[in-house]
Amino acid sequence: AQSVTQPDIHITVSEGASLELRCNYSYGATPYLFWYVQSPGQGLQLLLKYFSGDTLVQGIKGFEAEFKRSQSSFNLRKPSVHWSDAAEYFCAVGPYTGGGNKLTFGTGTQLKVEL
Amino acid sequence: EPEVTQTPSHQVTQMGQEVILRCVPISNHLYFYWYRQILGQKVEFLVSFYNNEISEKSEIFDDQFSVERPDGSNFTLKIRSTKLEDSAMYFCASREPQGGANVLTFGAGSRLTVL
Repeated sequence: AQSVTQPDIHITVSEGASLELRCNYSYGATPYLFWYVQSPGQGLQLLLKYFSGDTLVQGIKGFEAEFKRSQSSFNLRKPSVHWSDAAEYFCAVGPYTGGGNKLTFGTGTQLKVEL
Repeated sequence: EPEVTQTPSHQVTQMGQEVILRCVPISNHLYFYWYRQILGQKVEFLVSFYNNEISEKSEIFDDQFSVERPDGSNFTLKIRSTKLEDSAMYFCASREPQGGANVLTFGAGSRLTVL
């Protein structure tokens, strides 16, 4: 069965500091990996995705993530956090194609940014 | 940028009442999904829908739930007799036509509170 683990429930960083949010997955086939962000009162916005190719992917808002197959990880990073990045971040895994197939989400990491 | 629209944004209902949550997916998308997020928990898959029928559903999606595409634009989730544990944020999502990668676009969510 597929699963996603986000070991950090809450993270607090200072504005301007670097950020890394951890994500580990378990998936039987080649995974399609995603990071979504949910700001207060908002829906889920796609930050970035990875299926194949370069293992370091760039996303919106200055975020990037690195796929490491040997560690079954897909950690999200940002070199310098802005106060507006405070939100909840979800890692998800699913199939590349297949309309009926579903995404499996992690429990999320709540990011707080201190000014 | 095209978006998925959900109404209402927040609904409060009494236990045992029927609730219909509405979604307008992106116009050329053919795959539709409902997910839910109970407060403090992970986003969970409920159901996927394609070609006017359910293509996959989770064990959460029991006989109390139904989905429908009543016309060419709306996609609805009905809960026949709400329970307290149905209180959650419900997200609608849609995906581009067959052959596209599984990139889901989510709506902002409908928060359901069952009293």
